[in-house]
Amino acid sequence: EAGVVQSPRYKIIEKKQPVAFWCNPISGHNTLYWYLQNLGQGPELLIRYENEEAVDDSQLPKDRFSAERLKGVDSTLKIQPAELGDSAVYLCASSSSGTLPDTQYFGPGTRLTVL
Amino acid sequence: AQSVTQLGSHVSVSEGALVLLRCNYSSSVPPYLFWYVQYPNQGLQLLLKYTSAATLVKGINGFEAEFKKSETSFHLTKPSAHMSDAAEYFCAVSEGNQFYFGTGTSLTVIP
Repeated sequence: EAGVVQSPRYKIIEKKQPVAFWCNPISGHNTLYWYLQNLGQGPELLIRYENEEAVDDSQLPKDRFSAERLKGVDSTLKIQPAELGDSAVYLCASSSSGTLPDTQYFGPGTRLTVL
Repeated sequence: AQSVTQLGSHVSVSEGALVLLRCNYSSSVPPYLFWYVQYPNQGLQLLLKYTSAATLVKGINGFEAEFKKSETSFHLTKPSAHMSDAAEYFCAVSEGNQFYFGTGTSLTVIP
């Protein structure tokens, strides 16, 4: 079974430029998460989707960050414009709701460097 | 909200020595607990999880963790460290779909 797929793996951009990250979850997983991981820290939730609905986006900086999961499968996270402080690893995870505990499976992440 | 504390941001052990990584959680009800490992430039990989079925949980790569309700702890151990165990380890507690991660412990294995 394929795991969570993310692309690109690495991205270097200049500040004020836009950037987008893509995630394809494990097949059949209806819950999708985007996390931000700063160096030396644990992942912090940005947004959680149940199918195509964003059910928790309280930590998403909505002035510059946006996300979508149009068909309830893959998802895109966008930053526009990027700032120096956005340099981090962006992790996508998925899980299958209905059985507890709701184990999350992570993709390899996208490492963003903003110059 | 739940919280997770990992004591020791950096742990060094000699190859073959016991590995002990500490995790304490705050919860008024029995939680679901997880340990994840993250190798350089990779995502988080599930090591093991506690689901209240048994207090001693065995995971992959020879790791195990013991849930101690009285101490609100879920420490991770491995009897004999291997060079390939060098990585970042994260403890997490879940509350429904919400996951709360600790700040991580970086494990160094000295040859």
